[in-house]
Amino acid sequence: QITLKESGPTLVKPTQTLTLTCTFSGFSLSTSGVGVGWIRQPPGKALEWLALIYWNDDKRYNPSLKSRLTITKDTSKNQVVLTMTNMDPVDTATYYCAHVPGGFDYWGQGTLVTVSS
Amino acid sequence: QSALTQPASVSGSPGQSITISCTGTGSDVGGYNYVSWYQQHPGKAPKLMIYHVSSRPSGVSNRFSASKSGNTASLTISGLQAEDEADYYCCSYTSSRTWVFGGGTKLTVL
Repeated sequence: QITLKESGPTLVKPTQTLTLTCTFSGFSLSTSGVGVGWIRQPPGKALEWLALIYWNDDKRYNPSLKSRLTITKDTSKNQVVLTMTNMDPVDTATYYCAHVPGGFDYWGQGTLVTVSS
Repeated sequence: QSALTQPASVSGSPGQSITISCTGTGSDVGGYNYVSWYQQHPGKAPKLMIYHVSSRPSGVSNRFSASKSGNTASLTISGLQAEDEADYYCCSYTSSRTWVFGGGTKLTVL
């Protein structure tokens, strides 16, 4: 059974760096073809793909946010970490992590991050 | 990268069929067979309904089907049920080796 869960701060101040952790079980990020992605959704708005890391450490980023994002994995801990720098109120959203391949087939419950001073 | 284009809303009566379109370009929808569709109920995480253009994950009703023609993908829900009322999002792999979602479609079951 594949499960994922996001964790991190619920409130960050403008200009701060956000660090989110996705802790998963039921699969290994050392298995060929497997990846974990991050997707966010501002309140009342659409989903936005942010980043993805594959089993072989191949990393992909949303071009619009690439300069602000870093994704890493810790295979031994079954964790994927996303950092986003220079947070702004427009970054207020629910942040999800999800398992790949074949589409994002398993999702975490999401974590709401509010950016406010 | 620009979001894929979906209608903001569609509606249908119970038992009817509806189709949601998802229009991209030759650099995403039209260029790859990596289109997926997601259903999202309010306050819930998205659920994968279709992957690789037309494949259904185990457990997803066969009332959900999908296809692609050129730069436009389509999701069809037949035999509409009240529980199908939700937001639907398409997603595609791109030539930049990234992923892009559509703007979402709100399905109302009348």
